[in-house]
Amino acid sequence: DAGVTQSPTHLIKTRGQQVTLRCSPKSGHDTVSWYQQALGQGPQFIFQYYEEEERQRGNFPDRFSGHQFPNYSSELNVNALLLGDSALYLCASSPLSERTYEQYFGPGTRLTVT
Amino acid sequence: AQTVTQSQPEMSVQEAETVTLSCTYDTSESNYYLFWYKQPPSRQMILVIRQEAYKQQNATENRFSVNFQKAAKSFSLKISDSQLGDTAMYFCAFCVQGAQKLVFGQGTRLTINP
Repeated sequence: DAGVTQSPTHLIKTRGQQVTLRCSPKSGHDTVSWYQQALGQGPQFIFQYYEEEERQRGNFPDRFSGHQFPNYSSELNVNALLLGDSALYLCASSPLSERTYEQYFGPGTRLTVT
Repeated sequence: AQTVTQSQPEMSVQEAETVTLSCTYDTSESNYYLFWYKQPPSRQMILVIRQEAYKQQNATENRFSVNFQKAAKSFSLKISDSQLGDTAMYFCAFCVQGAQKLVFGQGTRLTINP
C-alpha cells in the first residue's frame, strides 16, 4: 500500500514565476492538506481539500491556490513567486470519515526561489 | 487562535537514556487532539503518538509516552531507552475536533549520541 506521494522532489524557480506541486494521497484517504515548512520551522497550514473543494484555509495569500481531482489527488499552485516562498511543501492525507484526526505526510517538495 | 510552544530548540542525550520533550499549547476549545510527530533527516514526517483531550489516561506507544496535563495545557513526550534512530526533529501539534487542521510548534531537534 503506497503512502502519500509528492512530485517533484526538488524544484528551482525564478522570482515571479508560477509553480505547480502534486500530491497523491494514501489509499483510502479522501482529504488532502498542504503545509509550508520554512527552514528550521514547524509546518504552517495552507489549505485543505475535500470532495474537490477547499474546506479550510490558513493565513496565506491568494497567490496560493489548489485543486483536488475526482481520484482525490491534489495540486498546489503558487503564482508570482517570491523569495520567501522558498520552503519544503508538505502534503498530508487523512480519511475524513475517521475521527482519529491523524494525518499522513508525504516526503515533501523542496522549492527554491532565486 | 491556537498556538503551540516548544521551549527546547535542541536536546542531546546518550543512547539508552530517557529524554523528555516539552510542549505547551493555548486554546479555548475543549475538544481537541494532540500529536507528536517525528521528522528524521530524510524529512518524512511520521506520527509518534496521539492523545485525545477527553481521555485522562496518558497515551503510550512502546518506548514513547506522554504526560498530558489538560489544566496546565501541557503535553510532554518521554522517550525511554533512547536509540540512535530516534535522532530527529520532533514537533508537537494540535488539532481542534472537526477541523483536521494541524497547528505545529517550532520543533525540538533531538540528537541521540552513541
